[in-house]
Amino acid sequence: DADVTQTPRNRITKTGKRIMLECSQTKGHDRMYWYRQDPGLGLRLIYYSFDVKDINKGEISDGYSVSRQAQAKFSLSLESAIPNQTALYFCATSDRTSGEYNEQFFGPGTRLTVL
Amino acid sequence: AQSVTQPDIHITVSEGASLELRCNYSYGATPYLFWYVQSPGQGLQLLLKYFSGDTLVQGIKGFEAEFKRSQSSFNLRKPSVHWSDAAEYFCAIGNYGQNFVFGPGTRLSVLP
Repeated sequence: DADVTQTPRNRITKTGKRIMLECSQTKGHDRMYWYRQDPGLGLRLIYYSFDVKDINKGEISDGYSVSRQAQAKFSLSLESAIPNQTALYFCATSDRTSGEYNEQFFGPGTRLTVL
Repeated sequence: AQSVTQPDIHITVSEGASLELRCNYSYGATPYLFWYVQSPGQGLQLLLKYFSGDTLVQGIKGFEAEFKRSQSSFNLRKPSVHWSDAAEYFCAIGNYGQNFVFGPGTRLSVLP
């Protein structure tokens, strides 16, 4: 089984709908991240969480919210989806206890289309 | 603020040819540098990373990268490309207490 899973893998929705993307990990890592990927822009950080009680905004948090329900679960919500939120979304994890510069482990991604 | 540029949006090479993907960074202190690969429909996989020490870093799948402080570069190389190397490659920078910043990516196509 994959260490970092994301559900759903694909989602098509309409403008104005509320959408939740979920991420679960079995790696036991304390840190979790949400990124969006757009062609030509690489990955941009939306939100990150260093533990269950710690949530931080990233580079492009407007229009998004997150919830860290447990160490292993980190959800991303779009309260009212708009077409320019159409993108590929990645969840990632890392382990603070092994150092500050650790590798991030990525999920397979969720492709979201907002019509 | 730290930043990463990858000057080549798309590169095409023939199978068996050598490969070099460029990465330049901007950061005032010692950077921590990474190369990730994203195969079609997949997440990102770490190829290699540089923290300190030897400036030539070996990674998985036969890739290596060389850190050149004077040029603010961390170019990825492979002596002989295989068709399975076709993917998108991302350079990233991280530093103490902060998060990764990714470059825009370079898409690699491999001709048979």
